[in-house]
Amino acid sequence: DVKVTQSSRYLVKRTGEKVFLECVQDMDHENMFWYRQDPGLGLRLIYFSYDVKMKEKGDIPEGYSVSREKKERFSLILESASTNQTSMYLCASSSPHGDRGQETQYFGPGTRLLVL
Amino acid sequence: QKEVEQDPGPLSVPEGAIVSLNCTYSNSAFQYFMWYRQYSRKGPELLMYTYSSGNKEDGRFTAQVDKSSKYISLFIRDSQPSDSATYLCAMTNVDSGYSTLTFGKGTMLLVSP
Repeated sequence: DVKVTQSSRYLVKRTGEKVFLECVQDMDHENMFWYRQDPGLGLRLIYFSYDVKMKEKGDIPEGYSVSREKKERFSLILESASTNQTSMYLCASSSPHGDRGQETQYFGPGTRLLVL
Repeated sequence: QKEVEQDPGPLSVPEGAIVSLNCTYSNSAFQYFMWYRQYSRKGPELLMYTYSSGNKEDGRFTAQVDKSSKYISLFIRDSQPSDSATYLCAMTNVDSGYSTLTFGKGTMLLVSP
């Protein structure tokens, strides 16, 4: 089974802090994604990566950056946390070589971030 | 018009009912259609996956795609309280080395015993 893990389930940070959210997948997937999920707004793509050291902006990249130094790990960075970044953050991975193709994404359990 | 429209619910049904969940979309290039189930405070998990038009059945679940109407459905037969969750439709077109999914906002389903 594919396993996507996220470093924290719950996180409380102060405005202005630099925040790191870590995601690790164990299935050798090429593609990794970061979403945020908010009530009434659904899942919104922040950044994704289709290879090591590669990154692409999603729909809402402002205020975020990412890092992918190793294939299995994709980090989301909030350079200076703000209260409007309070949200549920979800990491996902996929592979073009899986039996269901790259369109199938496997999600981690999520990190609930509260910025005070 | 948003790319994917999905009624947020909540949809409340008694145990044993047949449930119909739906999404409409505007991008005719979408080829792959998925339904994800998300329990409270958990990440989404893939429930059903279909390619192009037609029906696909898996146990109590049936996914239906009508590309001519740009309409997809998920039917749940003999619904159970354990089916209470938010159901997200997702879709994509794959024409490069990677693809991103377009999600609906999700429909909350509540199945009462």
